[in-house]
Amino acid sequence: QVQLQQSGPGLVKPSQTLSLTCPISGDSVYSDNVAWNWIRQSPSRGLEWLGRTYYKSKWYNDYAVSVKSRITISPDTSKNQFSLQLTSLTPEDTAVYYCVRGRWLAFDVWGQGTVVTVSS
Amino acid sequence: EIVLTQSPGTLSLSPGERATLSCRASQSVIGNYLAWYQQKPGQAPRLLIYGASTRAPGIPDRFSGSGSGTDFALTISRLEPEDFAVYYCQQYGGSLLYTFGQGTKLEIK
Repeated sequence: QVQLQQSGPGLVKPSQTLSLTCPISGDSVYSDNVAWNWIRQSPSRGLEWLGRTYYKSKWYNDYAVSVKSRITISPDTSKNQFSLQLTSLTPEDTAVYYCVRGRWLAFDVWGQGTVVTVSS
Repeated sequence: EIVLTQSPGTLSLSPGERATLSCRASQSVIGNYLAWYQQKPGQAPRLLIYGASTRAPGIPDRFSGSGSGTDFALTISRLEPEDFAVYYCQQYGGSLLYTFGQGTKLEIK
């Protein structure tokens, strides 16, 4: 059974950087035909896909246009996990952040979510 | 950017009734890569349907998906008490890669 167990801080100050990690159990970060994604959810923006990383002979990344200049998603192969870094935070980035496995061009396994509040 | 519009915003039905939820895309969805999710309060979304009509593993057969192009539907044949939740559609394709609808709340009448 695949599980994603998120970790990271819940309160971040404006202009700072959000860092979240997502250890994977029951699957490998190298798995074929899957991608490792970050998605966030807020009342104002709904569900918003942020980006993904995946391995196909080498590592690839894709990012949403709305955050492309501020986001990095990277695998940590030694720990079988992946991470999110989002810089220059504003209150608009307040949301529940999910790490999610992508399969069949949908999202089949979700982490439990981390409530992130951007406030001074 | 492909925008997904779900209707109705809220659907009030009783257990045992049939529910039909709609998802309309502003442009044709590539390859019919359209998925449906169920979300209950305090929980992450749960994948129900992918590829417009394929049930995800472990999903009861009372859930079915249909449609192609720009018009898609999720049908729940006989509502069980645990089916009352918020439902989202999601598509793959376009410059944003993945987008979600705004959701339909299915509530007990």
